Amino acid sequence: KAGVTQTPRYLIKTRGQQVTLSCSPISGHRSVSWYQQTPGQGLQFLFEYFSETQRNKGNFPGRFSGRQFSNSRSEMNVSTLELGDSALYLCASSVRDRVRDEQYFGPGTRLTVT
Amino acid sequence: GENVEQHPSTLSVQEGDSAVIKCTYSDSASNYFPWYKQELGKRPQLIIDIRSNVGEKKDQRIAVTLNKTAKHFSLHITETQPEDSAVYFCAASIDPGGGADGLTFGKGTHLIIQP
Repeated sequence: KAGVTQTPRYLIKTRGQQVTLSCSPISGHRSVSWYQQTPGQGLQFLFEYFSETQRNKGNFPGRFSGRQFSNSRSEMNVSTLELGDSALYLCASSVRDRVRDEQYFGPGTRLTVT
Repeated sequence: GENVEQHPSTLSVQEGDSAVIKCTYSDSASNYFPWYKQELGKRPQLIIDIRSNVGEKKDQRIAVTLNKTAKHFSLHITETQPEDSAVYFCAASIDPGGGADGLTFGKGTHLIIQP
């Protein structure tokens, strides 16, 4: 089956702009989580969506937002970009039931803010 | 919130030897502990996980142990091979059945297998 896909793979933006990243989960997975990965802070949880509802949120400012569509595809938006937002943004598609609790990561979107 | 500490940050072992990476967590409610391997330029890949109702789990050369009382868990890799070289991340979360939470990751361990 197809894996998690993310678009675009690479993006260059300037400070103050906004950006929208997209994630398509594995077919049948209803949960999508977003993570930011930087050399300094490592992997940090942004938010999780399940059945079009934000189920959980990490400690990021309100400039970071997201949504999930009825087909489970998810987008995240970052407004008023700052240099420190340069990072690899990973989404993960989740299977969670009584037996399994696992995530499959997408390839990531490399965002560079100049 | 949850805090996960991971040690060491870099680990160099001879090919064929064993490697052990240790993590501690702070939230006693956490009950799911996955380990991820990330090769350079690639996405994190789940290699093994353990739930808090199990003390140890093994999959071929990889094993994970969990000590709930001490709130620490460890990854053990035996008979290391060059392809084991990567960054390994531990993580902790609360089972969504008891309340959803995202994964909290350790800072990672760069494992280097010396030929």
